[in-house]
Amino acid sequence: GAGVSQSPSNKVTEKGKDVELRCDPISGHTALYWYRQSLGQGLEFLIYFQGNSAPDKSGLPSDRFSAERTGGSVSTLTIQRTQQEDSAVYLCASSLVQLGSPLHFGNGTRLTVT
Amino acid sequence: DQQVKQNSPSLSVQEGRISILNCDYTNSMFDYFLWYKKYPAEGPTFLISISSIKDKNEDGRFTVFLNKSAKHLSLHIVPSQPGDSAVYFCAASARGGADGLTFGKGTHLIIQP
Repeated sequence: GAGVSQSPSNKVTEKGKDVELRCDPISGHTALYWYRQSLGQGLEFLIYFQGNSAPDKSGLPSDRFSAERTGGSVSTLTIQRTQQEDSAVYLCASSLVQLGSPLHFGNGTRLTVT
Repeated sequence: DQQVKQNSPSLSVQEGRISILNCDYTNSMFDYFLWYKKYPAEGPTFLISISSIKDKNEDGRFTVFLNKSAKHLSLHIVPSQPGDSAVYFCAASARGGADGLTFGKGTHLIIQP
């Protein structure tokens, strides 16, 4: 079946603009995660959605970052008033919620803030 | 403070030899560990995992070893092949993987012909 799909694959934006990144998880996966990878860094956890529960937003770096997950499926990560330090690859992953179920990642969105 | 550490940013190994990638963790609540492999411009893909109730898990050419007392795990690839050249991320979670993963910074493995 289809994997995790992210769009756009690349996004260049000017400092101060808002951006929206989209993630389509694998059908049937109830858990959805957003991570980001800055240059030379590991994967940094941002936010976690599980079913209808309140999301775990503990990884969001500032209040300029927000995410939604509509209907338990598609998710959108929004960054308002982008800054140059927001430049990174933003990765979405989904998984079944069961012990030992690995995360399946999309190919990411490479965001460049100029 | 990094809870999952991969202290070698890169590793070069000759084709056919064994590749050993290392990972250390500090959080004693971690009970589930995974290795992911990442090619350029692609998302990480799951490789192999191990639960804290085991000290070894093997899948084909890949074996993961866990030393809980040392809070250390390693990934062995043998024999190494050119297609193994990639960045390898170590990841850990608590509660058997029901929570999100904490990742290391990755090790870039280069297999030389």
